[in-house]
Amino acid sequence: DQQVKQNSPSLSVQEGRISILNCDYTNSMFDYFLWYKKYPAEGPTFLISISSIKDKNEDGRFTVFLNKSAKHLSLHIVPSQPGDSAVYFCAFRDNAGNMLTFGGGTRLMVKP
Amino acid sequence: DTGVSQDPRHKITKRGQNVTFRCDPISEHNRLYWYRQTLGQGPEFLTYFQNEAQLEKSRLLSDRFSAERPKGSFSTLEIQRTEQGDSAMYLCASSPRESRGDYGYTFGSGTRLTVV
Repeated sequence: DQQVKQNSPSLSVQEGRISILNCDYTNSMFDYFLWYKKYPAEGPTFLISISSIKDKNEDGRFTVFLNKSAKHLSLHIVPSQPGDSAVYFCAFRDNAGNMLTFGGGTRLMVKP
Repeated sequence: DTGVSQDPRHKITKRGQNVTFRCDPISEHNRLYWYRQTLGQGPEFLTYFQNEAQLEKSRLLSDRFSAERPKGSFSTLEIQRTEQGDSAMYLCASSPRESRGDYGYTFGSGTRLTVV
């Protein structure tokens, strides 16, 4: 069963515009929602997170939105830069805090 | 301490051989996790340790997979009698025990296994 889905395998955006990455989930027992970024030949690196009791968290160019009623998570990057080109994974931590469940990833390409 | 270290970075093995990967976590981190990532997919949880205790291993893919963390520091992941379907990136991550959910884990760069 796929508890976490990233329905867009890839996204292409012009430099300076907004990038919006989306993630849907089914499990209501998640307590933290995270985004990771992955460059080729490297491990995923933590980007930003949000608690289940919030609906928005900002960190510079990155903003994460959580819609619990729709079970939907999104990441906004404004303005997008070529260095943002990477694979982005949403990840969810269960209430016990023992593991992260990852989506399948979205490859973001930011064109100069 | 510069982060989570994994060795080797790449491993090519013949089907049926045993392989072992090593992970050195961030020194002050009590928890250590193993994940597997196949092409086009997100990381998939395998197992985790708190100090030397393996607290979850039901997600290991088969009885050919085993992991150890003998002194609560580095960990090894062994795959016996490798199959072509084991070809993947094996990722290790660590976190403090009282991990705040808001910053997640620190991952290593992974070991890429190719079974021929």
